[in-house]
Amino acid sequence: NAGVTQTPKFQVLKTGQSMTLQCAQDMNHEYMSWYRQDPGMGLRLIHYSVGAGITDQGEVPNGYNVSRSTTEDFPLRLLSAAPSQTSVYFCASSRGLPYNEQFFGPGTRLTVL
Amino acid sequence: SQQGEEDPQALSIQEGENATMNCSYKTSINNLQWYRQNSGRGLVHLILIRSNEREKHSGRLRVTLDTSKKSSSLLITASRAADTASYFCATDADSGGSNYKLTFGKGTLLTVNP
Repeated sequence: NAGVTQTPKFQVLKTGQSMTLQCAQDMNHEYMSWYRQDPGMGLRLIHYSVGAGITDQGEVPNGYNVSRSTTEDFPLRLLSAAPSQTSVYFCASSRGLPYNEQFFGPGTRLTVL
Repeated sequence: SQQGEEDPQALSIQEGENATMNCSYKTSINNLQWYRQNSGRGLVHLILIRSNEREKHSGRLRVTLDTSKKSSSLLITASRAADTASYFCATDADSGGSNYKLTFGKGTLLTVNP
């Protein structure tokens, strides 16, 4: 099993550009989520999904869109990148909360100039 | 807003010593989890303790939970240089009443010196 994979590993964008961060898992997990990690802020939840076709907002959803058309994939779209979105982004999956662990991907380091 | 808050923010010890990190949270929870993050890597799950449990062990890890004080502690015994990492607590409590959000603290940076 590959677990949770994320692409790309690094990305540099200019302000106003859009892009999609890819996340895939091969563990047949229903629950998937996106976090951003900033220095001194810990991890903050952006969006999450409890199954294909179902998504909901987390703590910091503004500027991001998600969709969940399959169990395996959960892409995160930046609509119009801003310097405040410079961060490390982590995707995670789980059999379901609250009583299961989350498996994290290796992260995408995004810089917005 | 942060639900879990780790203490201390940073901890430096010698190899072989024990390391204790604490986590406090604000509202009722179903469970509390601890994760480790090595520099530049994703988080790795260490242990989950349910609200009706008081103590749990996994290898050199010991986690306690005191729901009356809304706090948890992670003890790493006989630390090794490879334990150097950031440690995060996470809880499933959410102000909106959802069970589907895991909220992380800001972490404790543990440095184990050889």
